[in-house]
Amino acid sequence: EVQLVESGGGLVQPGGSLRLSCAASGFTFSNYWMTWVRQAPGKGLVWVSHINRDGTSTTYADSVKGRFAISRDNAKNTLYLQVNSLRAEDTAVYYCVRGAFDYWGQGTLVTVSS
Amino acid sequence: DVVMTQSPLSLPVTLGQPASISCRSSQSLVHSDGNTYLNWFQQRPGQSPRRLIYKVSNRDSGVPDRFSGSGSGTDFTLKISRVEAEDVGVYYCMQATHWPPWTFGQGTKVEIK
Repeated sequence: EVQLVESGGGLVQPGGSLRLSCAASGFTFSNYWMTWVRQAPGKGLVWVSHINRDGTSTTYADSVKGRFAISRDNAKNTLYLQVNSLRAEDTAVYYCVRGAFDYWGQGTLVTVSS
Repeated sequence: DVVMTQSPLSLPVTLGQPASISCRSSQSLVHSDGNTYLNWFQQRPGQSPRRLIYKVSNRDSGVPDRFSGSGSGTDFTLKISRVEAEDVGVYYCMQATHWPPWTFGQGTKVEIK
């Protein structure tokens, strides 16, 4: 069974940082590109970042470029999102998504507030 | 960036009746490989999104056959032949042809009258 389990969210002050993790199981992690998608409270889905299978290519939404960094450890079957210089508008549930968006994790909530 | 526009944004439906959601893209979603990468997702209250349809009309495993997708180019439709109580939630279209960025529609909230 495919499972994606996010962790690392929490309450952080503006300007702060967090490292989100996504533990993958039930499939060959290194065979899939991975994506982070976020959803602000009561709002829609927004693509944040993408990484290819071996981690050599990454892309970011303009709103997070230069502040967020996606990475992966295929030996540990884990996807990461380092989120820095956080702003109130980054408050959202962050979902880890496999490949062609066919499996989604349960999400981890990041709240940016003083 | 490709803009995805859904309508309606709110859809009250009667149990057992059909429902239809429209999704339009600001440019053709036909990829150079000949495929059209248009997905539909369902997000039930309090749950993560779930992919229902990929490449316009292909149902994912476990998706009831009352859900169907159609369309081409810039105009796409998700239809529910007979709405059931478990279909309540928000439905999103998403294009995966012209990326980055991958872009979603605003979402259509389906509720029971």
